[in-house]
Amino acid sequence: QKEVEQDPGPLSVPEGAIVSLNCTYSNSAFQYFMWYRQYSRKGPELLMYTYSSGNKEDGRFTAQVDKSSKYISLFIRDSQPSDSATYLCAMRKNNNAGNMLTFGGGTRLMVKP
Amino acid sequence: DAGVIQSPRHEVTEMGQEVTLRCKPISGHDYLFWYRQTMMRGLELLIYFNNNVPIDDSGMPEDRFSAKMPNASFSTLKIQPSEPRDSAVYFCASARFYGYTFGSGTRLTVV
Repeated sequence: QKEVEQDPGPLSVPEGAIVSLNCTYSNSAFQYFMWYRQYSRKGPELLMYTYSSGNKEDGRFTAQVDKSSKYISLFIRDSQPSDSATYLCAMRKNNNAGNMLTFGGGTRLMVKP
Repeated sequence: DAGVIQSPRHEVTEMGQEVTLRCKPISGHDYLFWYRQTMMRGLELLIYFNNNVPIDDSGMPEDRFSAKMPNASFSTLKIQPSEPRDSAVYFCASARFYGYTFGSGTRLTVV
């Protein structure tokens, strides 16, 4: 079993829909949680960064962490065709670049006009 | 800032040939990472450097893979000899604090 599990999708939604992307993990030592967005033929780019449990909002994006359930989510409101990409969750044990990120496999999202 | 620069963007080579991938990290970033991405295995960390020193190379699949970072602005990943199963997208990323910045990757095809 992988340390971080993520449904690969693809997830197809109409423009304007609310999207929910999720990851589950098994290591309770993870404290810092990230979401990366990867467009086709590009490298992943950092989208959201959160610490421990709770919510963080940035524009149309909300990251949610539930450490008791070992479950993290990314919500996208008013989804746009430009949101079509692969979304990867990532997590680590401490807030240090030298502490390795563990990535999920990514969920491919398609937002149709 | 030009970001993390990787070259070449695409590489097609024959089995048995040597392949060298190149990376220029963001100036001031003291961590550099090499990742490999495939559909089957996702993103895999191959090796990372801190202040030009290799810290963890446990992800390097075989002795055919080697990486160097001769200075703070340049790193290479070499595969010799290359095999078809090495076909993947290879990413370089650099970091100073918590967030990684990825390059656009090198798409390697070994035929």
